[in-house]
Amino acid sequence: DSGVTQTPKHLITATGQRVTLRCSPRSGDLSVYWYQQSLDQGLQFLIQYYNGEERAKGNILERFSAQQFPDLHSELNLSSLELGDSALYFCASSWGATGTGTGANVLTFGAGSRLTVL
Amino acid sequence: AQKITQTQPGMFVQEKEAVTLDCTYDTSDPSYGLFWYKQPSSGEMIFLIYQGSYDQQNATEGRYSLNFQKARKSANLVISASQLGDSAMYFCAMRNANDYKLSFGAGTTVTVRA
Repeated sequence: DSGVTQTPKHLITATGQRVTLRCSPRSGDLSVYWYQQSLDQGLQFLIQYYNGEERAKGNILERFSAQQFPDLHSELNLSSLELGDSALYFCASSWGATGTGTGANVLTFGAGSRLTVL
Repeated sequence: AQKITQTQPGMFVQEKEAVTLDCTYDTSDPSYGLFWYKQPSSGEMIFLIYQGSYDQQNATEGRYSLNFQKARKSANLVISASQLGDSAMYFCAMRNANDYKLSFGAGTTVTVRA
């Protein structure tokens, strides 16, 4: 158990629908990252939050949004789902926000949420 | 922009032998960190080893070692005494010191044969 909790583990839904993926970071970690892993795109960085504030944005579609709450858990909202959104969505957490420090900002990943859009 | 290249899509290794997974990277930042992660078939991403750009010695963690050649911008992972449980996808990743995001290579699949 990595200490990063993601729910749900599996999700099957239809095109056009909306889903919410939830992540609880490891105790003491302030940063939460969302990644999308698909067969054709590999591991793509979506977005990062640090202590409730958005810090970096990657290849996140406008149909996707995220937030980090005061208790540091995070949610990734995916709307108007398309077949191509089917992927494994990872949440990761780290203590710091940037890459400074020796090993201080190792990302710890959750087990992922596998989304299938039919 | 950071770029991480893993040129070996798949490798086979005999049990108890060593295997080297290649990783090259491109950055203009002098301060950065290099990471290797393992993703078994169950899907989770497991952190293996970290190397800082200013670290003088190659990082080691048990059977994992990182062969860091800074001038060549290479950070190869060496797995010694391979075990069946090492069969997985391995990802090289990098982050510049002041960057927020960790960027990943395409990964290398390792299959350990008995």
